[in-house]
Amino acid sequence: SQTIHQWPATLVQPVGSPLSLECTVEGTSNPNLYWYRQAAGRGLQLLFYSVGIGQISSEVPQNLSASRPQDRQFILSSKKLLLSDSGFYLCAWSVGVTGELFFGEGSRLTVL
Amino acid sequence: AQSVTQLGSHVSVSEGALVLLRCNYSSSVPPYLFWYVQYPNQGLQLLLKYTTGATLVKGINGFEAEFKKSETSFHLTKPSAHMSDAAEYFCAVSHTGRRALTFGSGTRLQVQP
Repeated sequence: SQTIHQWPATLVQPVGSPLSLECTVEGTSNPNLYWYRQAAGRGLQLLFYSVGIGQISSEVPQNLSASRPQDRQFILSSKKLLLSDSGFYLCAWSVGVTGELFFGEGSRLTVL
Repeated sequence: AQSVTQLGSHVSVSEGALVLLRCNYSSSVPPYLFWYVQYPNQGLQLLLKYTTGATLVKGINGFEAEFKKSETSFHLTKPSAHMSDAAEYFCAVSHTGRRALTFGSGTRLQVQP
């Protein structure tokens, strides 16, 4: 069966520090991969999606970036965090035409 | 462009009462529709989905939803609320060729004893 792992689960970082969140999917090949963010009291905002290795589409301009170095690995990064980057980050994958998403457990980032 | 509107950011019901969470969508092509549930500090879990076929869809935990094309709605219901149903619920829409789901802003369900 397919599983998705996301880490770290919790992160507290100072403003201006770098960020790296990782996501790995098991049990499927060539999935579409996604990064979403939930800010406090708000819905889900799509940040990035990827349909293949090295192929990244950005939905929202920001100081975050994403990379897909391997088929089932998706990384969210920042060189310098802002206070507004605080939130709950969710990785997800999908296959097929319906777009049904399978989510990881999330990473809570607090920028101080 | 497609969009999703969830009426009511907070809904409170008594244990044993009917749960009704509203979702309306806009899409220029036949949609795929989803309801997800999120418990605190967890990822989203699929409750149910409509892709094709029967418009009344049954999901996990006793929830169901009905796709009404004429009303562009996909409301989520459960006949009798349980304390464990307290969570945030998200409606989402997609269609063939769309890369990612579009989510509504979510509805937080409280269940009172």
